[in-house]
Amino acid sequence: DGGITQSPKYLFRKEGQNVTLSCEQNLNHDAMYWYRQDPGQGLRLIYYSQIVNDFQKGDIAEGYSVSREKKESFPLTVTSAQKNPTAFYLCASRNQGLRNEQFFGPGTRLTVL
Amino acid sequence: GDSVTQMEGPVTLSEEAFLTINCTYTATGYPSLFWYVQYPGEGLQLLLKATKADDKGSNKGFEATYRKETTSFHLEKGSVQVSDSAVYFCALLGATRGSQGNLIFGKGTKLSVKP
Repeated sequence: DGGITQSPKYLFRKEGQNVTLSCEQNLNHDAMYWYRQDPGQGLRLIYYSQIVNDFQKGDIAEGYSVSREKKESFPLTVTSAQKNPTAFYLCASRNQGLRNEQFFGPGTRLTVL
Repeated sequence: GDSVTQMEGPVTLSEEAFLTINCTYTATGYPSLFWYVQYPGEGLQLLLKATKADDKGSNKGFEATYRKETTSFHLEKGSVQVSDSAVYFCALLGATRGSQGNLIFGKGTKLSVKP
């Protein structure tokens, strides 16, 4: 089955630690995205990548970093510089084509203890 | 810049009631419009979409019509079920070169359907 996988489903981290969230897709999509979801605020774009080895900052990139070394993978690192990292993180991918929709993974809930 | 405004929730309905969730947008060019649904603890699923003016998207009894004259894409369902309880997001995919194909989301509307 084609789709997007995110792991782990739940993640706990101590303050001051970096943590990496995994996102893998086997849809052969070129573009991938990371969003953060907080209650009552909808989805906010953290980073996106239109092609391998290239990525751009979204609206709330501070305290986060990404890499795109392979087409299938777009890991997100939440660094200790992110002041309020507790949130639900969603990864998405999209086939190129101006009107194509994004497909979402199941999400990772990160809690900072 | 492009933006999406949808009605704030939560919305609570009885089973078999009629549902409308309002969504309006601001965009240059001719964007594509989407409704996504998020069930508790899950990611987003595409519910329906429309890519040009007067298109009607439909799925699972839900409908929305792309109205360019009112810049709206309201979600409707004639008879909701308890299983429709979820958060619904209206979204816009920009059609201009500068938009880079990124989705712009509304803040979401939580729907609760009581038996």
